[in-house]
Amino acid sequence: DAKTTQPPSMDCAEGRAANLPCNHSTISGNEYVYWYRQIHSQGPQYIIHGLKNNETNEMASLIITEDRKSSTLILPHATLRDTAVYYCIEKPSGSARQLTFGSGTQLTVLP
Amino acid sequence: NAGVTQTPKFQVLKTGQSMTLQCAQDMNHNSMYWYRQDPGMGLRLIYYSASEGTTDKGEVPNGYNVSRLNKREFSLRLESAAPSQTSVYFCASGGTGTSDTGELFFGEGSRLTVL
Repeated sequence: DAKTTQPPSMDCAEGRAANLPCNHSTISGNEYVYWYRQIHSQGPQYIIHGLKNNETNEMASLIITEDRKSSTLILPHATLRDTAVYYCIEKPSGSARQLTFGSGTQLTVLP
Repeated sequence: NAGVTQTPKFQVLKTGQSMTLQCAQDMNHNSMYWYRQDPGMGLRLIYYSASEGTTDKGEVPNGYNVSRLNKREFSLRLESAAPSQTSVYFCASGGTGTSDTGELFFGEGSRLTVL
């Protein structure tokens, strides 16, 4: 079973920031938080990952709480193409161990 | 650079028939994975291969076999298909040794229907 908890669905207005929360209260010290998204039954797409510091790339920002028990994925200016299921996953970095997907959050960006 | 390529993209089988799903990656990745996704559900791992020559069971291996043919190719075989195996199958790859960030790259999926 997935060890992270996410809300099943969220809406966001186009052009506004989308903030997707994730709880991972049992995360181990060597586990990173990974975020993937899946657009309409396509293959999942990697977004970002982090250990304890906040991370930013061209797609999103990841804010991890100091106790590492939760995190927030931020899409700064959501577009209709960001409508997707977003998965938050714990995994040790650089390992061949599998990603364990939960149910994710269905983000709907509204015009 | 095609990334991860899966064939076929669509397949309809009758109960009891066998088939093989093919997956190839051109990114020199060490690890390869097969997942299935049922309607409205998250992905579940069937089998994975951490490196050429090794394979391991995932969460739902029953009814499947795999072969890591070489570093590029990882196939999934259904020996006797059942309606419960109707699903979308995703292949993924990742990891290039010292530069492994843990990111996985996924194919576009193979949609299998078993009647």
